[in-house]
Amino acid sequence: GDSVTQMEGPVTLSEEAFLTINCTYTATGYPSLFWYVQYPGEGLQLLLKATKADDKGSNKGFEATYRKETTSFHLEKGSVQVSDSAVYFCALSPRSGGGSEKLVFGKGTKLTVNP
Amino acid sequence: GAGVSQSPSNKVTEKGKDVELRCDPISGHTALYWYRQSLGQGLEFLIYFQGNSAPDKSGLPSDRFSAERTGGSVSTLTIQRTQQEDSAVYLCASSTDRNSYEQYFGPGTRLTVT
Repeated sequence: GDSVTQMEGPVTLSEEAFLTINCTYTATGYPSLFWYVQYPGEGLQLLLKATKADDKGSNKGFEATYRKETTSFHLEKGSVQVSDSAVYFCALSPRSGGGSEKLVFGKGTKLTVNP
Repeated sequence: GAGVSQSPSNKVTEKGKDVELRCDPISGHTALYWYRQSLGQGLEFLIYFQGNSAPDKSGLPSDRFSAERTGGSVSTLTIQRTQQEDSAVYLCASSTDRNSYEQYFGPGTRLTVT
């Protein structure tokens, strides 16, 4: 079945460091890909998305590119801030249009950014 | 506007008891999802409702779990004869329709089975 694998955490960085969180997926067909973020004490929020190969999703300085050839969707940010401390989840939706069916999540990566 | 709300926020119950968890989706959202977030398993899909269609129950872990959605709005997830392995955060999400990219999540209900 469909699955998502993301790098194990926790990840601890200093402010202004470069961030990469790796995510790879296994899916039949052409899924849509997402990064969700869970800030401390808050619910899950969509951070960015990409619905087809070579699409780049971006938001709040974060970027991820849908790479079909490597089945990857790595999350990057050039300069992290303390406020980026959160748990990040990579996810896929099996329908290529990103249609409202179940999301398949990775296990999450906890990021802590120190001042 | 109001987001997805869930109640209770915390529930402690004894093994063997039944529990009901409630979800109020965003008004007008036709799709509603339940997920479970636990330490060992990460985030798992449980069940999906879309309008008047039959729900997708493929993620329910056992027949002790059931859910209903009344009037296309509020949903209740029921766990019968709770077990300790049911302890988790139960998350509800809603989206506008089957072609929406974004699911909006509630704060969750933390269930502890003692």
